[in-house]
Amino acid sequence: DTAVSQTPKYLVTQMGNDKSIKCEQNLGHDTMYWYKQDSKKFLKIMFSYNNKELIINETVPNRFSPKSPDKAHLNLHINSLELGDSAVYFCASSGPSGALAGELFFGEGSRLTVL
Amino acid sequence: SQQGEEDPQALSIQEGENATMNCSYKTSINNLQWYRQNSGRGLVHLILIRSNEREKHSGRLRVTLDTSKKSSSLLITASRAADTASYFCATPEAAGNKLTFGGGTRVLVKP
Repeated sequence: DTAVSQTPKYLVTQMGNDKSIKCEQNLGHDTMYWYKQDSKKFLKIMFSYNNKELIINETVPNRFSPKSPDKAHLNLHINSLELGDSAVYFCASSGPSGALAGELFFGEGSRLTVL
Repeated sequence: SQQGEEDPQALSIQEGENATMNCSYKTSINNLQWYRQNSGRGLVHLILIRSNEREKHSGRLRVTLDTSKKSSSLLITASRAADTASYFCATPEAAGNKLTFGGGTRVLVKP
């Protein structure tokens, strides 16, 4: 059973389009995250939700909108895609104390290519 | 800005050799974590060392932490081709839910 699963794995789209990435975790965790990994492998946190409540919102363009319908799901919707949005987006989850107490569990990533 | 900076950025060794990579960070930490990322895959947690620990072992991995120098090292002993991956250090912010990653060390183990 996959612990953190995200779909789709690959997304190729044109500039200006809107796209969504879905994430689900079956670990019973309260906290979920979206990270962006650029072409140089730098990982940057974008958002974090704890039990459906937004707790971290880094300096991300408001074209990016996360949604957490329940604590097992965290989706990412991106409007008006730009070339610079091309990256690998990772979903992750952690237990109740977050990263202070233990590890993050990552999905396999969604590679977004904007043409 | 990156909380952790890793050194070297890339490392190439022969199978059976040891691989050492270092991580420096800027602020006080509660713990420091190391993750591995195989090509095209997600990150996998390797080991967590708490601020009151100086050394920790897990299988062929040895992690050290020097809080006075704000640095950590990861040693992989008797490396295997399967250890080829990128390795990242990460530290949580005091508020707890934000784990900040270093830039990673790309390790190539040649058979």
